[in-house]
Amino acid sequence: AQKVTQAQTEISVVEKEDVTLDCVYETRDTTYYLFWYKQPPSGELVFLIRRNSFDEQNEISGRYSWNFQKSTSSFNFTITASQVVDSAVYFCALSEADYNQGGKLIFGQGTELSVKP
Amino acid sequence: DGGITQSPKYLFRKEGQNVTLSCEQNLNHDAMYWYRQDPGQGLRLIYYSQIVNDFQKGDIAEGYSVSREKKESFPLTVTSAQKNPTAFYLCASSIGSGRNSPLHFGNGTRLTVT
Repeated sequence: AQKVTQAQTEISVVEKEDVTLDCVYETRDTTYYLFWYKQPPSGELVFLIRRNSFDEQNEISGRYSWNFQKSTSSFNFTITASQVVDSAVYFCALSEADYNQGGKLIFGQGTELSVKP
Repeated sequence: DGGITQSPKYLFRKEGQNVTLSCEQNLNHDAMYWYRQDPGQGLRLIYYSQIVNDFQKGDIAEGYSVSREKKESFPLTVTSAQKNPTAFYLCASSIGSGRNSPLHFGNGTRLTVT
């Protein structure tokens, strides 16, 4: 069965610290997509990144970077030099089959990141 | 600016009453979704629709109903049959319904039933 686990429920750091949010997934499929979303206090989820199962290259976007490792079924997210505006709940999600084939997006429980000044 | 509008932001209802949550999008997306979020939990899929006049149940559809009469609109009705309706409800849309389609979310409606 497909499953996404974010073991860190809450993380608190001081501004400018680096922080890594862990995501471990389970799937029997060889083709799948992984996503990260950010939910700020306003409530809406904001799409951050999508990675397909055939692309294990790490990605960097400004202060954000993602480490995808199929060998350990992990897709971790690192924020470098964290800022107060990074405070939010972050969700990792897994997608296997297309919706019209009965697939759906499976979300982890979320990690609440608090960055203190 | 294109986006998804959910209204109202906060909604209070008495137990036993049906209530309808609004979701409108002007992104010209084909697919729309309703998710429920409870404290400390991820999002769970209630219903989704890939095209107008068609929709499918998600994981927790019991006690909910939807309609998709227009491409832009996907209202969710929380009926009195829903045993634990108090939650944060998020509407989303995507260009297609493929596994690689990122979801675009609205700001959510927080429903409290007493």
